[in-house]
Amino acid sequence: DIQMTQSPSSLSASLGDRVTITCRASQNIDNYLNWYQQKPGKAPKVLIYGASSSQTGVPSRFSGSGTGTDFTLTITGLQPEDCATYYCQQTFSTPRTLGQGTRVEL
Amino acid sequence: VQLVQSGPELKRPGASVKVSCKTSGFTFTSATATISWVRQAPGQGLEWMGWISTSSGHTNFAQEFKGRISMTTDTSTSTVYMEMRGLRSDDTAVYYCARDNDSKYGSWDYWGQGTLVTVSS
Repeated sequence: DIQMTQSPSSLSASLGDRVTITCRASQNIDNYLNWYQQKPGKAPKVLIYGASSSQTGVPSRFSGSGTGTDFTLTITGLQPEDCATYYCQQTFSTPRTLGQGTRVEL
Repeated sequence: VQLVQSGPELKRPGASVKVSCKTSGFTFTSATATISWVRQAPGQGLEWMGWISTSSGHTNFAQEFKGRISMTTDTSTSTVYMEMRGLRSDDTAVYYCARDNDSKYGSWDYWGQGTLVTVSS
């Protein structure tokens, strides 16, 4: 199985900050990497697919990059509504596996 | 697109549970349509359990769940079911169904609201 490791596990940032979350795969997954945002008590929501493509309706402050084994999710200009837990997911192979999550707080 | 799940369940250890996921807004019998089940234990991360092709009924389960879960469909109501047997206390979780987007990246683009399954004696 492909292991997905996110860092950090949690972070605290200020309004307007640039926030970067890292996801590393245990083997090459090309760009089969998606990012999700989950708020308490809610289902996750896809933000980025294919490592760098934004899902329709996602604010432009969210961006993704990377290929192979190393990926990043960047929030440029943190907003209060961005406080949530973020997960990366690989869809290169089954079983689908996800990172352990990164909790973002203000 | 909408996915609407059945309500919360309270089960005893060793029992079975069957959770439904009624879908609408897309072609349920499309050859490329699949629905995944993802669970989340309290305070924990997301765990993929498996998927089912809604056209063929073909399934693919995570090793951890093989032999203990089944997934089925009812094409007349566009509903997917996930049944888990031999419930244990560590199966207490919110269970989500999610549509696998049919692009090559297969992100989960639509989700059900989640079903809390509590396993307790």
